[in-house]
Amino acid sequence: SQQGEEDPQALSIQEGENATMNCSYKTSINNLQWYRQNSGRGLVHLILIRSNEREKHSGRLRVTLDTSKKSSSLLITASRAADTASYFCATDKAGGTSYGKLTFGQGTILTVHP
Amino acid sequence: DAGVIQSPRHEVTEMGQEVTLRCKPISGHDYLFWYRQTMMRGLELLIYFNNNVPIDDSGMPEDRFSAKMPNASFSTLKIQPSEPRDSAVYFCASSFSVSETQYFGPGTRLLVL
Repeated sequence: SQQGEEDPQALSIQEGENATMNCSYKTSINNLQWYRQNSGRGLVHLILIRSNEREKHSGRLRVTLDTSKKSSSLLITASRAADTASYFCATDKAGGTSYGKLTFGQGTILTVHP
Repeated sequence: DAGVIQSPRHEVTEMGQEVTLRCKPISGHDYLFWYRQTMMRGLELLIYFNNNVPIDDSGMPEDRFSAKMPNASFSTLKIQPSEPRDSAVYFCASSFSVSETQYFGPGTRLLVL
């Protein structure tokens, strides 16, 4: 099964509202990364948060990490129609031969209505 | 920098044919990753290289798949013979160091008829 599981699978909001997506994982990690994918396009990196960090910001994006609960959240504030995309969390598992390998979740499809 | 470059962007072929996908990583990046994305299985890591050496190919589906990195600026993923179930989007990504941000190319959309 996937290391990262996003919730919800789909999210539909109005422009200007905030969007929150969650990611849960199973094993210890070195870092967790969030990516965006527009329909038919490649993945764009948003934020990397390391296991010893609890929160990071980038523009309208805020990512939190709770390693005790093995979960992360991505908050997009004041959403815009251009934020419509699929959002993936990816975990870099700690230890062993998994070092550097990212395991992606199934993604959250975000639709922002103008 | 031009980012990760992949070619071709689209490939349509018939079952049994050989398919070669190409990738040029970002200059200076020591790590190169090949992923496959399908609706059913999502995004899966196939293989990754460090300094042109394959480190982990446990994600390669079967012997029909092979990947090479003859130098720091070029990698290929080959499928021979191709099958309809290989239809997917194949992404190449590179990173400066292990456990750092991976930069993805635009992908190659492969359709095997």
